[in-house]
Amino acid sequence: GNSVTQMEGPVTLSEEAFLTINCTYTATGYPSLFWYVQYPGEGLQLLLKATKADDKGSNKGFEATYRKETTSFHLEKGSVQVSDSAVYFCAPGDSNYKLTFGKGTLLTVNP
Amino acid sequence: DGGITQSPKYLFRKEGQNVTLSCEQNLNHDAMYWYRQDPGQGLRLIYYSQIVNDFQKGDIAEGYSVSREKKESFPLTVTSAQKNPTAFYLCASSIELGRHVGYTFGSGTRLTVV
Repeated sequence: GNSVTQMEGPVTLSEEAFLTINCTYTATGYPSLFWYVQYPGEGLQLLLKATKADDKGSNKGFEATYRKETTSFHLEKGSVQVSDSAVYFCAPGDSNYKLTFGKGTLLTVNP
Repeated sequence: DGGITQSPKYLFRKEGQNVTLSCEQNLNHDAMYWYRQDPGQGLRLIYYSQIVNDFQKGDIAEGYSVSREKKESFPLTVTSAQKNPTAFYLCASSIELGRHVGYTFGSGTRLTVV
């Protein structure tokens, strides 16, 4: 079956630092790839998506590029804010026509 | 505004009791899902439903049951057979079942056994 490996957290950064959260996956074919964000005590929200190779998804300053050759979808942001503190989930589509969620990466941004 | 409503937000259950978690959506989505979230374990799929009157077991269905009598509603019952029910439960929906389809999540129900 499909699987997804996310960078283990927690990740702690200072405000305005550069963020990278690594995500690699195994999949057959060409699934769509998603990043979700979960703020404390809430459900998950879609952050960005990419549907085909070399697509770049972006939202709120976050970006991720669909790299088919390395089966990766790393999340990046150039300058994080305290309000970005949350748990981030990588989620590729799987061969069973559902999304597979990574274990999540906790990000804490200090002022 | 369209969305998913989960209720209650907090739920306390005594040992040996069954409890039902509510999930309602007004997005006109066909597919619905229930996940369990434990610290450090990410999301684990309990049950999912592709369409009304149909549902399938996920990875950890033992001790849980669901129904899908209406398109808008997908309640989850945590039975007394579930040995460790304390967790955060998330309901989600998507326009259809598929590997290219994003999910919309509710705000979750935190269940605690007392």
